[in-house]
Amino acid sequence: GAVVSQHPSRVICKSGTSVKIECRSLDFQATTMFWYRQFPKQSLMLMATSNEGSKATYEQGVEKDKFLINHASLTLSTLTVTSAHPEDSSFYICSARGEINTEAFFGQGTRLTVV
Amino acid sequence: AQSVSQHNHHVILSEAASLELGCNYSYGGTVNLFWYVQYPGQHLQLLLKYFSGDPLVKGIKGFEAEFIKSKFSFNLRKPSVQWSDTAEYFCAVNTGGFKTIFGAGTRLFVKA
Repeated sequence: GAVVSQHPSRVICKSGTSVKIECRSLDFQATTMFWYRQFPKQSLMLMATSNEGSKATYEQGVEKDKFLINHASLTLSTLTVTSAHPEDSSFYICSARGEINTEAFFGQGTRLTVV
Repeated sequence: AQSVSQHNHHVILSEAASLELGCNYSYGGTVNLFWYVQYPGQHLQLLLKYFSGDPLVKGIKGFEAEFIKSKFSFNLRKPSVQWSDTAEYFCAVNTGGFKTIFGAGTRLFVKA
């Protein structure tokens, strides 16, 4: 399958700082990218969907000003957690999809720890 | 709102036992259906997918799933599990070609 690379895989940051997570599709053009959050022993919760060149669509309850998503190119989307707090500590996963009726491929995830 | 329901949160089986994990979704339109597996410490991997055609889908590692449209179900099956199948399994539904929603997951533990 296609490869989606997420960076960094782990990050520790101080409370109040911002953290940027990158998601790249390495061998295909990602028309749509999805950002998920996974709490320990829980499922993936969709945070937002972004289409290249458009504003992201956020799920209910997800603060768009806190979780900034940029999808400026067909191979890169970024998630910035602004003014991070300990409760933002979680596992963030991106996935990317090419054509509309094809499967999405997942990145390896980013474990964020806010101290 | 669309939702995906996985009925079993934890399943414990002995090796060679048969497996069936239930998945139901609520969405009246066209759906694409997936089963993903997450082994301990690893990221999600696709087991199988259904887009159209034969509702009985065969995936990797001997897994299969059957899409029953009238029941809004997409149950995962394997005739004989192995210890290496110990993992968490997620059913996912892509609605109308847009967002993909995941079920809560089922943790499978296979006793050697």
